[in-house]
Amino acid sequence: EVQLVESGGALVQAGGSLRLSCAGSEFTSSDYSLNWVRQAPGKGLEWVSYISSSSATMYYADSVKGRFTISRDNAKNSLFLQMNSLRAEDTAVYYCVRDMIHQTGAFDVWGQGTMVTVSS
Amino acid sequence: EIVLTQSPATLSLSPGKRATLSCKASQSIAGFLAWYQQKPGQAPRLLIYDASNRATGIPARFSGNGSGTDFTLTISSLEPEDFAVYYCQQRYNWPPDFTFGPGTKVDIK
Repeated sequence: EVQLVESGGALVQAGGSLRLSCAGSEFTSSDYSLNWVRQAPGKGLEWVSYISSSSATMYYADSVKGRFTISRDNAKNSLFLQMNSLRAEDTAVYYCVRDMIHQTGAFDVWGQGTMVTVSS
Repeated sequence: EIVLTQSPATLSLSPGKRATLSCKASQSIAGFLAWYQQKPGQAPRLLIYDASNRATGIPARFSGNGSGTDFTLTISSLEPEDFAVYYCQQRYNWPPDFTFGPGTKVDIK
């Protein structure tokens, strides 16, 4: 079964840093672009960041630009999100999400999510 | 930024009834719209992509249509497991600025 499993969520103080990881299995990571999507408690979904299959291009939502960095290691089927200068409004469940092949932005596989709580 | 508006916010229906959910975009997004289902404590699940294509394993009672700015998701006959929140999402822009609608909650009447 194709699967994404996130880890690294934690309680952190405002201004702090955190690194999220996502491990993929049962698919060839280098064939797919990947994303992070977040969901604040009781709220809707917000796309956070995108990385192409080869890491050639990365994009970010305006709300995290300059503070978050997405990266990947295809040899280890892994995706990362380095989060710096964290704010209370970054508190959310963070999902690792796979794009459908050749359909960037259609999210066909989701991890179970990892909770990030930023205390002010 | 493309804004998606969903209506109604809540839809109360009985099992076996037909559900029709609406999603409107602030500008034309051609057919680049997806629908997701989310149950409490779970990750979203892709139902429909590119307005009308069912994702792998999605039952035929789910259908989508629309183009431009107006889209609908129809559940032809509600099953107990269909009571959930449904989100629409656009992928029209490049560089990406993917946005989601606020969601429609389908609950049991």
